[in-house]
Amino acid sequence: QVQLVQSGAEVKKPGASVKVSCQASGYTFTTYDINWVRQAPGQGLEWMGWMNPNSGSAGSAQRFQGRVTMTRNTSISTAYMELSSLRSEDTAVYYCARGPVVNSHFDYWGQGTLVTVSS
Amino acid sequence: DIQMTQSPSSLSASVGDRVTITCRASQGITNYLAWYQQKPGKVPKLLIYAASTLQAGVPSRFSGSGSGTDFTLTINNLQPEDVATYYCQKYNNSPRTFGQGTKVEI
Repeated sequence: QVQLVQSGAEVKKPGASVKVSCQASGYTFTTYDINWVRQAPGQGLEWMGWMNPNSGSAGSAQRFQGRVTMTRNTSISTAYMELSSLRSEDTAVYYCARGPVVNSHFDYWGQGTLVTVSS
Repeated sequence: DIQMTQSPSSLSASVGDRVTITCRASQGITNYLAWYQQKPGKVPKLLIYAASTLQAGVPSRFSGSGSGTDFTLTINNLQPEDVATYYCQKYNNSPRTFGQGTKVEI
């Protein structure tokens, strides 16, 4: 069965970076986009960006450009999202989600990774 | 960027009711619209994609309609397990924006 398993919770100081991983199983990793979505406490869902694991090409929402880097390691079917220059407003649960086709809805989601930014 | 506006922000209904949630896009998105359900403390779950296609395994009391700028999620015969926040999302291009959510209570 399709699974996306994310890395564990992180606590970071303002100005630091965080790297969240998302390991895929149950399907061919390189044939589906991986998207990143975050949810601040008590707030709604916010799309951050996408990555094509086959080509490595990626794109992000304008508000994250310059701060977010999405990469992958195809040998271990894992996608990564690194967010830099963290501030308290980045405290959120970060999800990876699979897109079954190009420009797609998200059919499978990871369990989420809580990132807390606090001094 | 295209904005997605849901209404209402919250609603309270009774078991067995029909519930309707609306999502409006600021520009046309043809049928590139999905609906997700997020129960408290849980991961979002895909309910409907392409505006009206039910995801496998989702109960048939959920249905979606619309195209262009106006879309609707309908829950027939509301059940206690449907208590959740529902989000629409457009995905015709980037950014793949979500609506602000509609909280459904019983």
